[in-house]
Amino acid sequence: DARVTQTPRHKVTEMGQEVTMRCQPILGHNTVFWYRQTMMQGLELLAYFRNRAPLDDSGMPKDRFSAEMPDATLATLKIQPSEPRDSAVYFCASGLVRGAGSTEAFFGQGTRLTVV
Amino acid sequence: KQEVTQIPAALSVPEGENLVLNCSFTDSAIYNLQWFRQDPGKGLTSLLLIQSSQREQTSGRLNASLDKSSGRSTLYIAASQPGDSATYLCAVSDNYGQNFVFGPGTRLSVLP
Repeated sequence: DARVTQTPRHKVTEMGQEVTMRCQPILGHNTVFWYRQTMMQGLELLAYFRNRAPLDDSGMPKDRFSAEMPDATLATLKIQPSEPRDSAVYFCASGLVRGAGSTEAFFGQGTRLTVV
Repeated sequence: KQEVTQIPAALSVPEGENLVLNCSFTDSAIYNLQWFRQDPGKGLTSLLLIQSSQREQTSGRLNASLDKSSGRSTLYIAASQPGDSATYLCAVSDNYGQNFVFGPGTRLSVLP
């Protein structure tokens, strides 16, 4: 049963602490997305990778957020230092793009982050 | 900048009714459109993917249509069931499936 796996599912941390969220994309997928979901803003794209290379991270606050793919089976999203306004659910999604083909995105269960 | 809207924001119907959810987008230069379902506290489940060259897709009781020129998509749910209660989101992507932009969702309640 192929699925996107995110850890941790829940994280409560104090303001100023570093937070690292992890995502295991579906094996064989070459595209990974990071989204943030809040009641006010809905789903916002933070960053996406194609073949492990970052293609767009313009949605991410660069001063505190960073996203990486150290290998094809792991994507990470790091916040340092965290702030209360970062409280949200962070979703990872993966998909497979073949040439000019389209991508169907498959989402993980999300990491619910609370910064106090 | 692509903007996606969904109407209505919330919908409550009795079990058994057929219903239509609407999705509109401002830039017709999309590559595909995907409908998702999200249950409270859960991730998004992909329902249907419509490529830009297609006009509709069907899966069971679900049928999604796409009219690129008018910037609209509809999700038709036949014979609704209480288990269909969830938030339904549409998302459009530009070329090569990059940069998915989501609508705010329609919260559906199907009453037994």
